[in-house]
Amino acid sequence: SQKIEQNSEALNIQEGKTATLTCNYTNYSPAYLQWYRQDPGRGPVFLLLIRENEKEKRKERLKVTFDTTLKQSLFHITASQPADSATYLCALHSGGGADGLTFGKGTHLIIQP
Amino acid sequence: DAGVIQSPRHEVTEMGQEVTLRCKPISGHDYLFWYRQTMMRGLELLIYFNNNVPIDDSGMPEDRFSAKMPNASFSTLKIQPSEPRDSAVYFCASSPRRGQNSPLHFGNGTRLTVT
Repeated sequence: SQKIEQNSEALNIQEGKTATLTCNYTNYSPAYLQWYRQDPGRGPVFLLLIRENEKEKRKERLKVTFDTTLKQSLFHITASQPADSATYLCALHSGGGADGLTFGKGTHLIIQP
Repeated sequence: DAGVIQSPRHEVTEMGQEVTLRCKPISGHDYLFWYRQTMMRGLELLIYFNNNVPIDDSGMPEDRFSAKMPNASFSTLKIQPSEPRDSAVYFCASSPRRGQNSPLHFGNGTRLTVT
């Protein structure tokens, strides 16, 4: 069966360090992978999208990699700040013409001052 | 644009009652999605519409759940009768186009508590 796995344990990072979050998937052949941020009491907010032929994508302090051989995406936040504390979700399309995204359960990131 | 608007933000009801959740998508977005989020299962896709037509409702858990989109600016998700296990946060999202490269725009959800 298709699975998207993210580290369910909270990730504690000291302010100023780089936070790295992992998304692993099985039984998918995605052409794209998306990352979202979710704050308490709010809906997920789109951050970045990466295509299968892109090894890396950057947006300000964010960087995403996509390794289709390892079936893994890494999400990096450099120079992390307490305001980066949130839950981060990765998402894929299941294919077969479906249009809905399937989400991982997310990783809760805590940036400590 | 105001973004995706959901109402109510919170709903508390007793088991057996009917619950109706509402969503106004972003104007011009052709796709509308209903998701449910729980700690145990994360975000689950329930149903989605394209141009007001339901395309895939395979995620709807039971016949107690139904969704409609009478026009491009309004959708409802109804649960009748509600049960305690329906307690969750329900999100509506819209997207301007189909495809894996199209991000979703979420509302802030309706937190449903069924006692």
